[in-house]
Amino acid sequence: GAGVSQSPRYKVAKRGQDVALRCDPISGHVSLFWYQQALGQGPEFLTYFQNEAQLDKSGLPSDRFFAERPEGSVSTLKIQRTQQEDSAVYLCASSPTAAEGSPLHFGNGTRLTVT
Amino acid sequence: AQSVTQLGSHVSVSEGALVLLRCNYSSSVPPYLFWYVQYPNQGLQLLLKYTSAATLVKGINGFEAEFKKSETSFHLTKPSAHMSDAAEYFCAVSAYTNAGKSTFGDGTTLTVKP
Repeated sequence: GAGVSQSPRYKVAKRGQDVALRCDPISGHVSLFWYQQALGQGPEFLTYFQNEAQLDKSGLPSDRFFAERPEGSVSTLKIQRTQQEDSAVYLCASSPTAAEGSPLHFGNGTRLTVT
Repeated sequence: AQSVTQLGSHVSVSEGALVLLRCNYSSSVPPYLFWYVQYPNQGLQLLLKYTSAATLVKGINGFEAEFKKSETSFHLTKPSAHMSDAAEYFCAVSAYTNAGKSTFGDGTTLTVKP
C-alpha cells in the first residue's frame, strides 16, 4: 500500500517568501506529526494532530509556523516570511492509532532551502 | 521530560563484524523505545520497538536491541554487518504521557568497510 507522501520533495525559497508543505498520510491513520530535521541532527518535534484536532503545537519555533489538517487526512505546514534558519528537512509521520507506543511511519521529507 | 543520547556520531565496522550502536535515554515515566534507520534522501523506517514486553527485542534485517532499565540503555546490535546496513540510525523515546510524541537522538552514521 501507499506510504506517507510529502510534496514537494525540494523547495527553494527566497528569504521573506511564504511556503506551504503538504503531507498525505497513510489512509486511515489517526495521528499525524510534523518534525524538523536540521543537517546532522535528529528530527525535532513541531506539532501533532489527532484526526483534525491539533493537540500539541509546542514545538513550533515561532508564530510564522502554522499547521492544519482540516478534514483529518491531508495536512499542510505553512511557514510565513521564511528565514535562513528555517532551512531544514521537514518530515511528516503518521500512526494508525493515538495509543502510546505506536511507531511512526515517515514520509521522505521536504528539503527546504531558504536563500 | 525525555531525552536520548546516542554515543558516537560515526561508527565504522568491517563487513561481517559486530555492529554496536549505543543509546541511553532519560524518562520520568516508563518509556517506549524505538530504533529507526534513515537511508540518504529518505524518511525514517522503523527497525524495532520496545513497549514493556520482552527486554530483548528483535527487529528487521537481523538487528536486535536490549532494554536495560538499570543502565537506562537500549543499544542496537547486529552480529554480522552487511554493506547494505550503511545508513544513519536514530534512537527515539516516547511515553504514554505525551500521546506518542517521540524524542530523537542526533543519530549515528554507520559505515561498513568491505
